[in-house]
Amino acid sequence: GENVEQHPSTLSVQEGDSAVIKCTYSDSASNYFPWYKQELGKRPQLIIDIRSNVGEKKDQRIAVTLNKTAKHFSLHITETQPEDSAVYFCAASTGNQFYFGTGTSLTVIP
Amino acid sequence: GAVVSQHPSWVICKSGTSVKIECRSLDFQATTMFWYRQFPKQSLMLMATSNEGSKATYEQGVEKDKFLINHASLTLSTLTVTSAHPEDSSFYICSASQASGGGKRPTQYFGPGTRLLVL
Repeated sequence: GENVEQHPSTLSVQEGDSAVIKCTYSDSASNYFPWYKQELGKRPQLIIDIRSNVGEKKDQRIAVTLNKTAKHFSLHITETQPEDSAVYFCAASTGNQFYFGTGTSLTVIP
Repeated sequence: GAVVSQHPSWVICKSGTSVKIECRSLDFQATTMFWYRQFPKQSLMLMATSNEGSKATYEQGVEKDKFLINHASLTLSTLTVTSAHPEDSSFYICSASQASGGGKRPTQYFGPGTRLLVL
């Protein structure tokens, strides 16, 4: 099955700086890559996603890049704010199943 | 966005009893529902994928006789933890997905989760 790896597991940044989280996947059939934000005790929330026919997608301070050849994709958060502090998960999907990365705990220091 | 509910949100039970968790899609028909297990500060581990009207597909290492999944309708899936033991204590989250055909992205919507504590 699919194997999704995510790095780093923890990340601390100063408010206003950028944060980058990277994921790799193994199944070349995966064609949909969502990113989720999960605050403590709450359900994961979709924050951005990208399909395999697109190399980059941006939504305000959040952007995702995908390198299909290398099988890796990244989440970029610019101008970080304290409310960005949470656990972020990447996922890879073939459309039928979703496999999650191990998560990155992001702390934005005011 | 689409809403998925999960019930109960909290359950404490004695070892050896069975616990049923319900997952409902409230405003859309979910062709597929997923069940995840999440340990503290860890990722979501996919347990099984269930499609309405057919048997669930379990991930490797997940006991199908231990975790019974029933997807009775396009809006309801249930997970029953049978003969629960303390090591089954965890956070169980379901998600529901709409059909991904026609160029639509296979978006999944998460339930709020069920925290199970087995004494």
